This record gives sequence, structure tokens and C-alpha cells, in this order.
Amino acid sequence: GAGVSQSPRYKVAKRGQDVALRCDPISGHVSLFWYQQALGQGPEFLTYFQNEAQLDKSGLPSDRFFAERPEGSVSTLKIQRTQQEDSAVYLCASSLKYRGITDTQYFGPGTRLTVL
Amino acid sequence: EDKVVQSPLSLVVHEGDTVTLNCSYEVTNFRSLLWYKQEKKAPTFLFMLTSSGIEKKSGRLSSILDKKELFSILNITATQTGDSAVYLCAVKREYGNKLVFGAGTILRVKS
Repeated sequence: GAGVSQSPRYKVAKRGQDVALRCDPISGHVSLFWYQQALGQGPEFLTYFQNEAQLDKSGLPSDRFFAERPEGSVSTLKIQRTQQEDSAVYLCASSLKYRGITDTQYFGPGTRLTVL
Repeated sequence: EDKVVQSPLSLVVHEGDTVTLNCSYEVTNFRSLLWYKQEKKAPTFLFMLTSSGIEKKSGRLSSILDKKELFSILNITATQTGDSAVYLCAVKREYGNKLVFGAGTILRVKS
């Protein structure tokens, strides 16, 4: 079946530009996560949605980062006034349950953002 | 603060070798430990471990958790070049949803 998809796969932005990254989770998955992965590091949590509700945004590094999931399916991560330190791979993951032992997170291919 | 440390940072082996990757953790209210394989971009799920001493196996890969000593190992036997990847370890709390990842182990299998 279809996995998590993300677009665009690559994005180059000039410093100060706004960008929007899209995530299509696996159909029927309640939970959706965004992670940021810097070069040579493991992914770091940014934010979590259960359906359309953003229940945890503790990992968002600044108020320039904003995420939404208005209909409980597709999610968009927006970064305003991009800075060079925002350059990273942005990974989206989804899981079937928000509680319970089977809540494995399945990841998309990521969007590589380069800020010049 | 939750912490995951993986070792070694990288290793190079020859095809047919057996490798052991290590993951130690400190987490409040531990629920589960997960292993992922990352090639290019998307981490691919390998194992989820919740109980000590129970080995999980999938083909040439196996993993086990020690909740007393707070670590897990991932074994790969008869390595192949296709096993070359970054292997990520992550932990999850009992009450919470996010995964906390280690920095990963870079494995390169030479033919």
C-alpha cells in the first residue's frame, strides 16, 4: 500500500523566504509527526498531531515554524523568514494509533531544505 | 532530559561478517525502544522492543533489550552490501508520543 509521501523532495530557499512543506500520511493514520534531521544527526521531534489537533509543539525551534493539519489528513509545515540554520531534512511520520503498543511510526522520504 | 547514545558511530566490515550495534538510553517512564534503518532519506522500521530478554528476529537481523542495564543491541549476521545504511535507535515514553533518537551508527559493508 501507499506509504507516507512528502513534497517537495528538495527545496532551495534564499534566506528570508517562506517555505511550505507537505506531508501525506498513510490513509487512516490518526497520528502525524514532524521531525528535523540535521546532517549526521538523528531526527529531532518538532510537533505532533492527533487528527486535526496539534497536541504537542514543544520541539518547534522558534515562532517562525508553524504546522497545521486542518482536516486531520494532509499536514503542512511552514517556515517563515528562513535562516541558514533551518537547512536540514524534514521528516514526516504517521502512526495508526495514538496509544497502544502497536503505534509504530512510519516515515516518509523527507524534504531536504537548503537555505542559501 | 531523555538521552539515547549509539555506538560505534561508524564501522566498516566485509561481506559475511557479523556486526553488533549498541544503543544505551536514559528515559523517564520508558515504554519502548525502536530500531530503524535509514538509507538515503526515509527511516525504515525494523523492530520495536518493550520487554527485556525477548529477542526479536527478522531474517539476518535480531535485536534484544535489557531494561535493567538500559541498553539494546542490534545484530546483523552474514552482512551484505545492501545492509549498508545508518541504523537509528529511538525510545518512547509511556505517556507521550514523540520518539527520541540517537545520532545513529553508519554501517558500510564492503564486497
